Amino acid sequence: GESVGLHLPTLSVQEGDNSIINCAYSNSASDYFIWYKQESGKGPQFIIDIRSNMDKRQGQRVTVLLNKTVKHLSLQIAATQPGDSAVYFCAENGDNYGQNFVFGPGTRLSVLP
Amino acid sequence: DADVTQTPRNRITKTGKRIMLECSQTKGHDRMYWYRQDPGLGLRLIYYSFDVKDINKGEISDGYSVSRQAQAKFSLSLESAIPNQTALYFCATSPGGYDRYNEQFFGPGTRLTVL
Repeated sequence: GESVGLHLPTLSVQEGDNSIINCAYSNSASDYFIWYKQESGKGPQFIIDIRSNMDKRQGQRVTVLLNKTVKHLSLQIAATQPGDSAVYFCAENGDNYGQNFVFGPGTRLSVLP
Repeated sequence: DADVTQTPRNRITKTGKRIMLECSQTKGHDRMYWYRQDPGLGLRLIYYSFDVKDINKGEISDGYSVSRQAQAKFSLSLESAIPNQTALYFCATSPGGYDRYNEQFFGPGTRLTVL
């Protein structure tokens, strides 16, 4: 498969442990944020989103936390599994009314057996 | 079948050649986008289109052009490829309207290498 993000920060976690991936966003006017997962050789895949009127949102095994004061977003993955190994990146919608998103560079998550 | 498809998946070409990357979608979305991805960088927007008659430049449009042949098809062209256009290219779609809260759906990507 294709290799993306060759020089990304890497987070290594033991299988079964919880993972926390962080993202600092840039635009205080952003009011919608998405976490994407990108596996080798594939396009980014939606995981979870959150609007700025919330500070926490939960999905299946994932939780996103939003701290608008410090412009920080985090993705928590519970009971990390080998299939969670991928590059994860956040996106913010900025102040451009849906024309495009601004994407972070990503973090590579490696799950150790 | 995949909702967003890209062809080719891999392409190696030489400097100066004209290249076209194609994207098709079956999601019925009005909006389509072309991004490039480079190692260690986030996705960067090349062009986007809100409907068949609407084409807009993105952050890094120089050296690229696009064509929106139909609602379902959006092509990216490199008129004269250069080595620094070597990258992974993604097409994406999202629903129409002026909703700020639309996620984007991505194709599998095209790996382009310019020698």
